[in-house]
Formats: sequence, structure tokens, C-alpha cells
Amino acid sequence: EEQLVQSGGGLVQPGGSLGLSCVGSGFTFSTYEMDWVRQAPGKGLEWVACISSGGGIVYSADSVKGRITVSRDNAKKTMYLEMNSLRAEDTAVYYCVRDNWAYAFDIWGQGTMVTVSS
Amino acid sequence: EIVLTQSPATLSLSPGERATLSCRASHSISSNLAWYQHKPGQAPRLIIYEISNRATGIPARFSGSGSGTDFTLTISDVEPEDFAVYYCLQRFEWPRTFGQGSKLEIK
Repeated sequence: EEQLVQSGGGLVQPGGSLGLSCVGSGFTFSTYEMDWVRQAPGKGLEWVACISSGGGIVYSADSVKGRITVSRDNAKKTMYLEMNSLRAEDTAVYYCVRDNWAYAFDIWGQGTMVTVSS
Repeated sequence: EIVLTQSPATLSLSPGERATLSCRASHSISSNLAWYQHKPGQAPRLIIYEISNRATGIPARFSGSGSGTDFTLTISDVEPEDFAVYYCLQRFEWPRTFGQGSKLEIK
């Protein structure tokens, strides 16, 4: 079964840092671009970032640019999201997503909650 | 940035009725349009990719159409399990963008 399993998240104070992980299984992880998508409470889906299959290229939304680092370890079939200078508006459920070319975002992780609050 | 505008914001229907949801793009996005179903407490689920192709396991009552800037998701006979929020997504340009969502609710 093709799946993504996330870990990390939790409560962090404004200005703090937090990391998320996403492990892929059941497919050849290294051949896919991977993305992060988030949903703030009561809001819609927001694309956050994309990392190329080899990890050398990252695109990110303006709302998080300069405050996040997206990386991957294809040997471990794992993608990472490191977030810094966190703000209240970063509070959201974060999903990792497989970016499958024409098939769009076809596999989603279970989601993990990040709460930024003092 | 390509803005996707979905309408209506909320659609109230009874099971068995036909649902028509719209997604309008601020610029042409070729065929890079997908639809997602999202239920509370669950991860979004891919319904349609490349405008009109049903994802694996999606029932035939779901169909997508459109071109250029105007796209439609149709559910021919709404089933109880179809009540959810639906989002469109464009991957034609960076940044990727979602519509604001259309909620399909039980009347």
C-alpha cells in the first residue's frame, strides 16, 4: 500500500521552531516531487512548499518563504519541514503530499497539528 | 499568482440530487486542474485530475469538465457520503494554489 506517515508537530511559542517528518512507503519515494500543504483552523487548504525528487530545488509560498527549510533523505524515504520564527498564523494541520505529475497530489499523509501559542 | 474562485460557497442538496460546483481561474491553466474532497478529521482525497480524469476508486457519479479558466465538478446523484468540502487545485504555475472551497451540505 502506498502511504505517507507523518510525525512531529505540537505546541510551540511564537518565534520558536518546529520540525515535521514524512515517511513514504509502498512506492519509489526518490522519483517523486513532494509537497507540504496546510489548513489553518476554519480555513481552506494552502500550498506551502514543494521539493524536487532529488532535493536540489525547493519552491515555497510567500507566506513562509525565508522561515522554512524543506529537505529530503531519499535513502530513508523521508521528507522534512523545519519551520522557524513561527507565528500564530502558522497554526494549522500540516499535510505531506506526493506530487505525481499529471495525477496531481495523489497521496496524502494523515496530517499533523502545529499550534503556535504562548 | 493564479487565483482560483469557487462557487457556490455552500450548496445545500438532498441525496439523489445533482451537484454542480464551479472553479474559475484568473488565468488559463491548461489542463492542470484537480479536485479534492475533504471531510473533517481526514486527509483530502483526490477525486479528479487533469480536468476530467477520475482518480482510482472514485465512483462514476463524479465527473469533471471545462477548459482554459472555467471548470466544473459534477456529482450526478449525490450520496450521503459525498457531503464534504470540495477544493480545486492548479499546478500550472508557481505558487500552486487552491480555491477557497465549496461546502456540499445536506438539505
